[in-house]
Amino acid sequence: EPEVTQTPSHQVTQMGQEVILRCVPISNHLYFYWYRQILGQKVEFLVSFYNNEISEKSEIFDDQFSVERPDGSNFTLKIRSTKLEDSAMYFCASREDRANQPQHFGDGTRLSIL
Amino acid sequence: LAKTTQPISMDSYEGQEVNITCSHNNIATNDYITWYQQFPSQGPRFIIQGYKTKVTNEVASLFIPADRKSSTLSLPRVSLSDTAVYYCLVGDGVTGGGNKLTFGTGTQLKVEL
Repeated sequence: EPEVTQTPSHQVTQMGQEVILRCVPISNHLYFYWYRQILGQKVEFLVSFYNNEISEKSEIFDDQFSVERPDGSNFTLKIRSTKLEDSAMYFCASREDRANQPQHFGDGTRLSIL
Repeated sequence: LAKTTQPISMDSYEGQEVNITCSHNNIATNDYITWYQQFPSQGPRFIIQGYKTKVTNEVASLFIPADRKSSTLSLPRVSLSDTAVYYCLVGDGVTGGGNKLTFGTGTQLKVEL
């Protein structure tokens, strides 16, 4: 069964450094998403992406965050200058471009900011 | 987005059937009901989705009454590996655009021997 893959599984970064989280969505999917989950808290929506542009973003997704689909297979989340509070699990999801299709999630990248 | 309410936790034993009920009183006409499962340090995994009546797949059944103000996820004969958090989500699956998912705290199911 096709799946969303994310790399790395764990990223440790110094505060203030830039970090790029990578995702390979399921190949025929056209909607892409990033969510995050701080330890012990809810899964929170960050951003959705379709047709090479952001469809929707949350208040969390400020100017320090950006997303890109650099080629036909990867979808990336960049945090420009990381803060301690960016420490969380980051999940990528994708879904088909058909009505009523569920989002499928990767197993996440654990981001630890020191 | 329709707000959902589900129990914070449930306990069961191996081999039992588990039913988790979710209330969504202000569900809209276009909304679908979707359930996800999440294990620690893993991403949410899609289980089942439905609009009305009953939906069944290889892992679960979803029962939705006629008024659609609630839904019940049924897990037959659970095992220890079904210990996880289960999320009920309600949203518009028809229109395009973002379709962001709004997760609640879910139901922590604990299965024991």
